[in-house]
Amino acid sequence: TQLLEQSPQFLSIQEGENLTVYCNSSSVFSSLQWYRQEPGEGPVLLVTVVTGGEVKKLKRLTFQFGDARKDSSLHITAAQPGDTGLYLCAGGGTGGFKTIFGAGTRLFVKA
Amino acid sequence: DTGVSQNPRHKITKRGQNVTFRCDPISEHNRLYWYRQTLGQGPEFLTYFQNEAQLEKSRLLSDRFSAERPKGSFSTLEIQRTEQGDSAMYLCASTWGGRTEAFFGQGTRLTVV
Repeated sequence: TQLLEQSPQFLSIQEGENLTVYCNSSSVFSSLQWYRQEPGEGPVLLVTVVTGGEVKKLKRLTFQFGDARKDSSLHITAAQPGDTGLYLCAGGGTGGFKTIFGAGTRLFVKA
Repeated sequence: DTGVSQNPRHKITKRGQNVTFRCDPISEHNRLYWYRQTLGQGPEFLTYFQNEAQLEKSRLLSDRFSAERPKGSFSTLEIQRTEQGDSAMYLCASTWGGRTEAFFGQGTRLTVV
């Protein structure tokens, strides 16, 4: 069974701080996605990483896919209150099109 | 708006009643997914369709749950004889081709009382 573990589960920081959240698995994924979800809404896609070792940047967000395609990290520089939300990683399986999700990291950025 | 649309947004029902949710995917997307999300958890996969064919169902999907996508466009998810444990956000997502990233609707929040 493929599982994605995210850490930390909860993070509360001050505006301007940097942070990193992690997504780990013992399984290999063909791709990993990161989503952000706000209360009462569906997840919104931030990025997809597909190549081992790949790094993608989206403004203040940096995403990295592990060399072995089993883990990923999301780094946010100079966090802002607007970054508050649930950050979910999701893995595309190596067979079929089913995507599984981690439990998420809930981020709260205080002004 | 051409995003994924789900209706209703909220549903409160009494235990034992049947409920049906609808999802309209992005029009050119051939794959459609249903997920369930409870508080503090990530979305759990329920089932997915490629066009009108239901290709995979989770073991979470008991025989009280049924999903259809009759013409390969919109989909419905029905829950029969609802139980309090069915209370959750039900999310629909769609995508196309060989992509694994999906676009989500706003979800239907079900409360069983």
